Amino acid sequence: GQQLNQSPQSMFIQEGEDVSMNCTSSSIFNTWLWYKQDPGEGPVLLIALYKAGELTSNGRLTAQFGITRKDSFLNISASIPSDVGIYFCAGRRRGGSNYKLTFGKGTLLTVNP
Amino acid sequence: DADVTQTPRNRITKTGKRIMLECSQTKGHDRMYWYRQDPGLGLRLIYYSFDVKDINKGEISDGYSVSRQAQAKFSLSLESAIPNQTALYFCATSVPGGNTGELFFGEGSRLTVL
Repeated sequence: GQQLNQSPQSMFIQEGEDVSMNCTSSSIFNTWLWYKQDPGEGPVLLIALYKAGELTSNGRLTAQFGITRKDSFLNISASIPSDVGIYFCAGRRRGGSNYKLTFGKGTLLTVNP
Repeated sequence: DADVTQTPRNRITKTGKRIMLECSQTKGHDRMYWYRQDPGLGLRLIYYSFDVKDINKGEISDGYSVSRQAQAKFSLSLESAIPNQTALYFCATSVPGGNTGELFFGEGSRLTVL
């Protein structure tokens, strides 16, 4: 099956630091999505990207759809303790319904106050 | 109240037992999904259903079955549970034909098979 390589697997940072994580694939995707899973909860969509090169922000979060359509990154600026959780990237191919979402393995973020 | 509700939230069972995880939603979405989450492996699709009469296998359907009892209800069964089915299970819904790719997840059902 398709693989999404998400890195890093985990991060331990101090409050106030910026965070960067990314996903890469050998396949082209026409949609990139970033989800966050809070401890004890289900994943929630943070940002969706639909065009190559697109840069989208949601508060302190910024995500970009790579020009090659094979990668995406998520940045979090000035981290705070509630940023703790698992961040997942997901990709969808052209013409695919939601069942064709491919998820990365997640980045576990820990923020030390 | 949650739009996508899963029961039970936690379950411990023994090898060989039959287990059913239930999901109900108030979002009015036609499409429903069951995913499994294992540490370091991300989310993997077990089964999905686009309407009451439509059931499809995902990438890891072996050892599982599902039933779509109504538009709002989608249950996952383990006919004879085994220890490697210990995992966190998520139900999700989505809007049909939506371009956003957004899935709406429940809070998860943690299953432990001893």
